[in-house]
Amino acid sequence: DQQVKQNSPSLSVQEGRISILNCDYTNSMFDYFLWYKKYPAEGPTFLISISSIKDKNEDGRFTVFLNKSAKHLSLHIVPSQPGDSAVYFCAAPLTDSWGKLQFGAGTQVVVTP
Amino acid sequence: ETGVTQTPRHLVMGMTNKKSLKCEQHLGHNAMYWYKQSAKKPLELMFVYNFKEQTENNSVPSRFSPECPNSSHLFLHLHTLQPEDSALYLCASSSASAYNEQFFGPGTRLTVL
Repeated sequence: DQQVKQNSPSLSVQEGRISILNCDYTNSMFDYFLWYKKYPAEGPTFLISISSIKDKNEDGRFTVFLNKSAKHLSLHIVPSQPGDSAVYFCAAPLTDSWGKLQFGAGTQVVVTP
Repeated sequence: ETGVTQTPRHLVMGMTNKKSLKCEQHLGHNAMYWYKQSAKKPLELMFVYNFKEQTENNSVPSRFSPECPNSSHLFLHLHTLQPEDSALYLCASSSASAYNEQFFGPGTRLTVL
């Protein structure tokens, strides 16, 4: 049962423009969300998170927005840089199970010059 | 060494072989995890260890056998695997108090012939 979904497998954006990555979830009990970034031949690295008590969290060029009523979150990267080319995963911890993160399938972002 | 390391990085094995994957974390964490990532699929949690005790076995077949001798080391023993077990196996660690923010190793790319 896939409770975190990323429906766009890939995204191509020009350098300097905004990248918007989307993530939907089905479990209304989720109260915390994370984004991870993965380069080829490396493991995922934590990027940014948001608690369900907030609707926005910003860290430099990265902003995550949460719409609880729509069970939707998005990651905005502004401005996009070539080094942002990677796979981005949305994740949420299951509230009834310690340490268990549910991941989306990921979105491959390619930033072109 | 820093962060989370995994060896080997690549492994090709036959269905009758026995092999082991090794993970070591240098972050002072007390929780460790094994994940499986198959092509085009989300990361799937396999096992969770908290202070060397297994707290999660996500319905993993017995041909995968984890071992956690201490908080810094985690093994995944493999025997009589199937071709569909070919995947990227990722190890992660976290502190027990911040288990949502997991630090991943680079993974072992496993091919079962």
